[in-house]
Amino acid sequence: QKEVEQDPGPLSVPEGAIVSLNCTYSNSAFQYFMWYRQYSRKGPELLMYTYSSGNKEDGRFTAQVDKSSKYISLFIRDSQPSDSATYLCAMTRISSNTGKLIFGQGTTLQVKP
Amino acid sequence: SQTIHQWPATLVQPVGSPLSLECTVEGTSNPNLYWYRQAAGRGLQLLFYSVGIGQISSEVPQNLSASRPQDRQFILSSKKLLLSDSGFYLCAFRKGSYSNQPQHFGDGTRLSIL
Repeated sequence: QKEVEQDPGPLSVPEGAIVSLNCTYSNSAFQYFMWYRQYSRKGPELLMYTYSSGNKEDGRFTAQVDKSSKYISLFIRDSQPSDSATYLCAMTRISSNTGKLIFGQGTTLQVKP
Repeated sequence: SQTIHQWPATLVQPVGSPLSLECTVEGTSNPNLYWYRQAAGRGLQLLFYSVGIGQISSEVPQNLSASRPQDRQFILSSKKLLLSDSGFYLCAFRKGSYSNQPQHFGDGTRLSIL
């Protein structure tokens, strides 16, 4: 079993839809959670970074963490064609000297105009 | 603000040739540095990481090596490339150790081996 599971998709939605992207994990030592967006032929770009359980909002993006269920989500409101990309979840243990991240496989999202 | 630079963006090399990819970070001191490989349609595989000058940790046995000759410079090398070395190579940094800061990525090098 992988430490982090993420449905690779692809996920196709119409413009304006609410998108829900999810990851599950098995290791309760993970305390910091990140979402990255990766456009084709580009490096991953940090979208959201959270620590505690609950919600964190930034514009059209909301990150949700449920540590009791070992489940994290990224919601995109009013999705736009420019949101079409691969979304990677990542997580790490607390106070790690190495800062090594465990990544999900990534979910490919297509937003159709 | 901190920035990360990787070059070249694209590279085509014959089998058996050497490799040198360079990554530099600006705007922070003593960063943690990372090299990843991303195969098509797959997740990120951590290859090497470094917490300081001359300190390199390897995650997987392979045909590649890494070096950190200066605080903000990270180099990925190979003496003889294999077909299986093809892929998208990404460099990343984290601001300091024990900081719980996230990693930030460069724009990668797409390496094709012929």
